[in-house]
Amino acid sequence: EAGVAQSPRYKIIEKRQSVAFWCNPISGHATLYWYQQILGQGPKLLIQFQNNGVVDDSQLPKDRFSAERLKGVDSTLKIQPAKLEDSAVYLCASSLGGLTTNEKLFFGSGTQLSVL
Amino acid sequence: AQTVTQSQPEMSVQEAETVTLSCTYDTSESDYYLFWYKQPPSRQMILVIRQEAYKQQNATENRFSVNFQKAAKSFSLKISDSQLGDAAMYFCAYGEDKIIFGKGTRLHILP
Repeated sequence: EAGVAQSPRYKIIEKRQSVAFWCNPISGHATLYWYQQILGQGPKLLIQFQNNGVVDDSQLPKDRFSAERLKGVDSTLKIQPAKLEDSAVYLCASSLGGLTTNEKLFFGSGTQLSVL
Repeated sequence: AQTVTQSQPEMSVQEAETVTLSCTYDTSESDYYLFWYKQPPSRQMILVIRQEAYKQQNATENRFSVNFQKAAKSFSLKISDSQLGDAAMYFCAYGEDKIIFGKGTRLHILP
């Protein structure tokens, strides 16, 4: 079974530039998550999709971050403009079905973003 | 708001020995889930073990087991017969309407 695919693996940009991350979840997984993991901290949920609808984006800085999940499959997370404090690893995860948190999350390897 | 606390930033254990990682959490809910995830240098988070709060029996997965103390809001992970491949960051997580992670414990395995 193919895992969660993310690209790029690394990205270096200057502040005020824009950047986009891509995620392809495991086939058939309805729920998709984007997490931000700052160095030395645990992952923080940015946004959760159920199919192509947003379930939770309460911690997404909407003035600069946006995300979409077209056709309920792939997802893109964008930052525009980037700030120094956005330097982090951005992890994508997916789970099979519903909104119950007992489901196992499958994670990608993340995109490490450095903002200079 | 729910919080997850891992008080040990780093731990070391001799290969083949047993180590216990600590985790405490805060919640006013009675029905929730608890998890331990492993994050190796590849960055890919892997589920190690999962516990339902309504179950009194502690979860076990091969060499990994938990000590779940609901009243004390404690959820520690015990790794028996530690192996070099166990070296990683370990995150405790609480799940109710969403999953909240602790800051992690870096585990070193000494050969």
